[in-house]
Amino acid sequence: EAGVTQSPTHLIKTRGQQVTLRCSPISGHTSVYWYQQALGLGLQFLLWYDEGEERNRGNFPPRFSGRQFPNYSSELNVNALELEDSALYLCASRDRANTGELFFGEGSRLTVL
Amino acid sequence: EDKVVQSPLSLVVHEGDTVTLNCSYEVTNFRSLLWYKQEKKAPTFLFMLTSSGIEKKSGRLSSILDKKELSSILNITATQTGDSAIYLCAVEARGNSGGSNYKLTFGKGTLLTVNP
Repeated sequence: EAGVTQSPTHLIKTRGQQVTLRCSPISGHTSVYWYQQALGLGLQFLLWYDEGEERNRGNFPPRFSGRQFPNYSSELNVNALELEDSALYLCASRDRANTGELFFGEGSRLTVL
Repeated sequence: EDKVVQSPLSLVVHEGDTVTLNCSYEVTNFRSLLWYKQEKKAPTFLFMLTSSGIEKKSGRLSSILDKKELSSILNITATQTGDSAIYLCAVEARGNSGGSNYKLTFGKGTLLTVNP
């Protein structure tokens, strides 16, 4: 069974640009979580989607947004990139009952120059 | 705001040593506490502790939840170089709006280095 997949794995952008990151959850999982892991800051919660709806949002500015598609895959969009957006962006999924462990993808490493 | 604090932030030991990693939390409407191991990118699940399951063990790893002290420990006995990783603690709590509004908050992690 395929795990959580994310794309792209690495990308480099410049300040002011926009980026879209993609995540496909494990088959049967309806919940998708997005986390930002910057150096020394641990995992910071960004967004939680379930059944196509945004359920919760972390303390990030509105230029961080996303959506979940009918097949439960998800996109994270970041507009007007800033240098401090450089981080590993991790996606995780959870089962329909929304209980138990989160399964993480390998992440998308974003570098903003 | 929910808080999860891990200690120590980093730790260096020799193979064969026993280590104890700590996680304390301040949340309302606690649901569960999870431990993850992160070696390169994707964190991998170790344990989930809840009110009905406060102690877990798997091989050389074990974890205990102390709901009174709002904390948890992760023990690793007879450490090996392969145990070198960042260990993450996460606490899940229900938001104030109730319903299915759960939020998982991670600590900053403990960087464990096991030297041969």
